[in-house]
Amino acid sequence: GAVVSQHPSRVICKSGTSVKIECRSLDFQATTMFWYRQFPKQSLMLMATSNEGSKATYEQGVEKDKFLINHASLTLSTLTVTSAHPEDSSFYICSARKIGSYEQYFGPGTRLTVT
Amino acid sequence: KQEVTQIPAALSVPEGENLVLNCSFTDSAIYNLQWFRQDPGKGLTSLLLIQSSQREQTSGRLNASLDKSSGRSTLYIAASQPGDSATYLCAVRPDRGSTLGRLYFGRGTQLTVWP
Repeated sequence: GAVVSQHPSRVICKSGTSVKIECRSLDFQATTMFWYRQFPKQSLMLMATSNEGSKATYEQGVEKDKFLINHASLTLSTLTVTSAHPEDSSFYICSARKIGSYEQYFGPGTRLTVT
Repeated sequence: KQEVTQIPAALSVPEGENLVLNCSFTDSAIYNLQWFRQDPGKGLTSLLLIQSSQREQTSGRLNASLDKSSGRSTLYIAASQPGDSATYLCAVRPDRGSTLGRLYFGRGTQLTVWP
């Protein structure tokens, strides 16, 4: 149990366009989901924490108007990268926290390349 | 702010060796510490989770120890195999504040085990 999926696994888009990444908890409900980004040979950096039905909490330095997060249900959170630029190219990973637990379960990640 | 450091950054060893990966953290007020494995271009797989009240956890050839007061954890890998080649990430969860659920990650140790 405790499987988290992400879609798409890879996406290439042109500069200036928007891209949506989905994170789903497949076999459990998650009130909280986390979005991370990871640059090559770097660690995971938390971007934002999203709670179902409320606004996301963004980490310092993360532009909330650029990285739109929606957590509309207990099994789905989406991250939309708006007006993407080449510097947004990165590996985006989500995690989901089970109701009543602090443990996070991670998705397989999405590789975003902006050309 | 919690900072997590992992040493070494990279390690290359022949098959069969016993290994030690190190993790240190600056704030000892942690709820638990977790070791993850990440294969290239993939998400995270949880290996071991140690609660703050525990000293160690074991799973197969892996053993993780925790010295909370000194802010250190080690991951021992016995009889290493080429299939152990991956990046190993250490993460801590704080035990107080509004960010109880979030994880702070180190940069990882990139392990290569050659036959």
